[in-house]
Amino acid sequence: GQQVMQIPQYQHVQEGEDFTTYCNSSTTLSNIQWYKQRPGGHPVFLIQLVKSGEVKKQKRLTFQFGEAKKNSSLHITATQTTDVGTYFCAGVLIYNQGGKLIFGQGTELSVKP
Amino acid sequence: DVKVTQSSRYLVKRTGEKVFLECVQDMDHENMFWYRQDPGLGLRLIYFSYDVKMKEKGDIPEGYSVSREKKERFSLILESASTNQTSMYLCASSFRGNYGYTFGSGTRLTVV
Repeated sequence: GQQVMQIPQYQHVQEGEDFTTYCNSSTTLSNIQWYKQRPGGHPVFLIQLVKSGEVKKQKRLTFQFGEAKKNSSLHITATQTTDVGTYFCAGVLIYNQGGKLIFGQGTELSVKP
Repeated sequence: DVKVTQSSRYLVKRTGEKVFLECVQDMDHENMFWYRQDPGLGLRLIYFSYDVKMKEKGDIPEGYSVSREKKERFSLILESASTNQTSMYLCASSFRGNYGYTFGSGTRLTVV
C-alpha cells in the first residue's frame, strides 16, 4: 500500500504568495527525491536529499529532509506562474536495496496571476 | 540531449487486444521502470528491471508483463487490454543506486 503520503493534494495561490508541500513516510527513508510535472508533461527530477536534516535550495525553492528521515518539505517563495504543476516527493525505503522509489500522490499547484 | 523515448504519445486499442508499449533510453541506465498515472492515484509502479532479462513486479502487475532483451529497451505488454487499463503510462530509467529518474513523455492509452 501507499507508504509515502503527501499533502495537500491541491493548492491554489495568488502569484507572489508562498507555497509548501509536505511529504511523510511511515518508515525511515534512505533518501528522498522531488519531481515536478507541468500540466500535460512528465515528471522531471528536481533534487535528491540524503542526509538527516539536510536543506537544499534551488533559487526560490527550498527542500528539507527531516531529522528522522521520515518527512520532507518543498517550499516555494513568491510563487510565479511558471511554478504551476504537480510536485511529487518520492522516497527510497531504508531497507530497499534496489533503490526503488515510492512516490507520494503529488500536490497540484495552481497560481493565479 | 539524453532522453527516454516512448514509442507512441497516444494509442487507442480495443478490449481484448494485445498491446505493446515500447520504451528506449540512450543513457546506458541499468534500471528501467513502468508506471501508470491516474488522477488522484499518483504514480503506481507496474514493473521494473535492474538489468537485461531481469524483471520484478511492482505494486500493480496484474494484467501486464514486460520484456527487457536489451539494456536500452523495456517493453510493457498488456496481454488482453481491458477498459480499466485506460491510463497514462510512463517509462523511466536511472543508474543503479540512488539516482534521479528520467521519465519519458508518456503514452496515453485508451481502451475501448
